[in-house]
Amino acid sequence: AQSVTQLDSQVPVFEEAPVELRCNYSSSVSVYLFWYVQYPNQGLQLLLKYLSGSTLVESINGFEAEFNKSQTSFHLRKPSVHISDTAEYFCAVSGGGKLIFGQGTTLQVKP
Amino acid sequence: DTEVTQTPKHLVMGMTNKKSLKCEQHMGHRAMYWYKQKAKKPPELMFVYSYEKLSINESVPSRFSPECPNSSLLNLHLHALQPEDSALYLCASSPPGGLYQETQYFGPGTRLLVL
Repeated sequence: AQSVTQLDSQVPVFEEAPVELRCNYSSSVSVYLFWYVQYPNQGLQLLLKYLSGSTLVESINGFEAEFNKSQTSFHLRKPSVHISDTAEYFCAVSGGGKLIFGQGTTLQVKP
Repeated sequence: DTEVTQTPKHLVMGMTNKKSLKCEQHMGHRAMYWYKQKAKKPPELMFVYSYEKLSINESVPSRFSPECPNSSLLNLHLHALQPEDSALYLCASSPPGGLYQETQYFGPGTRLLVL
């Protein structure tokens, strides 16, 4: 069975500081990993994904995540956050036609 | 066109009402999904349609009835709902073939309040 653990429920950070949102997964089959972002009162937006190939994946708005098979992790990082990055972030693993989500991490960016 | 649309954005209904949620995509995706999301929680899968056939039903109560009239459209019919069914209902779709089908794209959701 597949599962996802997001290690922090809330991450407060000051604007322009770096941030890391942690995600660990458990899977016995091929791993496809995703980060989704949900802004208040909106749906989920795909932020980035790992399907195959390079283990470092990047989004268009400065986030990156690295697939680490030995540590079964897919942590999300950004070197300098902005107020507009305040949102809920979900890590997910895909398999068997289903997305398995972590519990989410609330990123709170303070001025 | 790279989006999933959902209507209505908001819906208030009584426990005896019948209503429907609509989801549409024009990206040629052949799998479509309904999720339910409560506040501060991750989405929970309800149904999966693959090539217009129901492939996964996550033991959802019969007061929720999905329908996939064609490859672009997905409906969720609601009848005799309970207040605990109040939530954000999200639709998603994924492309056909190979690794691409692993990626789901979500709509903005319908926020449902059952009184």
